[in-house]
Amino acid sequence: NAGVTQTPKFRILKIGQSMTLQCAQDMNHNYMYWYRQDPGMGLKLIYYSVGAGITDKGEVPNGYNVSRSTTEDFPLRLELAAPSQTSVYFCASSRTGASSGNTIYFGEGSWLTVV
Amino acid sequence: AQKVTQAQTEISVVEKEDVTLDCVYETRDTTYYLFWYKQPPSGELVFLIRRNSFDEQNEISGRYSWNFQKSTSSFNFTITASQVVDSAVYFCALSEAGGHGGSEKLVFGKGTKLTVNP
Repeated sequence: NAGVTQTPKFRILKIGQSMTLQCAQDMNHNYMYWYRQDPGMGLKLIYYSVGAGITDKGEVPNGYNVSRSTTEDFPLRLELAAPSQTSVYFCASSRTGASSGNTIYFGEGSWLTVV
Repeated sequence: AQKVTQAQTEISVVEKEDVTLDCVYETRDTTYYLFWYKQPPSGELVFLIRRNSFDEQNEISGRYSWNFQKSTSSFNFTITASQVVDSAVYFCALSEAGGHGGSEKLVFGKGTKLTVNP
């Protein structure tokens, strides 16, 4: 029953540091996503991937990088962390994409604070 | 452009009351999908329901029901006989089939925080 697994769950970063949020799914889904949720707001798409080796930008990609070397894993890299990146990050996956109406399943979230 | 509006920021009810959460959407596509997700205090996002634009039938699942009306671009969610465990933030979301440059994303409303008091 693992579904989408994210690590770490909580992290405090100093301004300028870098880190990688890990995400893995065991549902053999082709599509994977990274969203961020700011207080009192809905989720916004950072990056997504339609399969291994293919990634694309979402609404708010600046300051982030992703890679998709396997179907299962979709890490999100924060380079030169800034206070504006303080947020809750959600990894998600779906069998096919949002544009085909497939349900997107979310991980439990990673709370990141940049100080 | 896609847009989802949840005008109710917070709702507080007493247990056993019925409560309706409103969701109004905007899209230029004729094919689109609507979702509701629940985010309990523990923070995870739980999928509740998906509805496509060609299926206007209302749906009931236990104490939950959903009313989809294309004429008013609304997809409202009603909890009957609310319980304390229903306390959560509820998000309505929209995805488009891509006829107008849609990308692979869900567009979320800002959420409605529901508090059910004992």
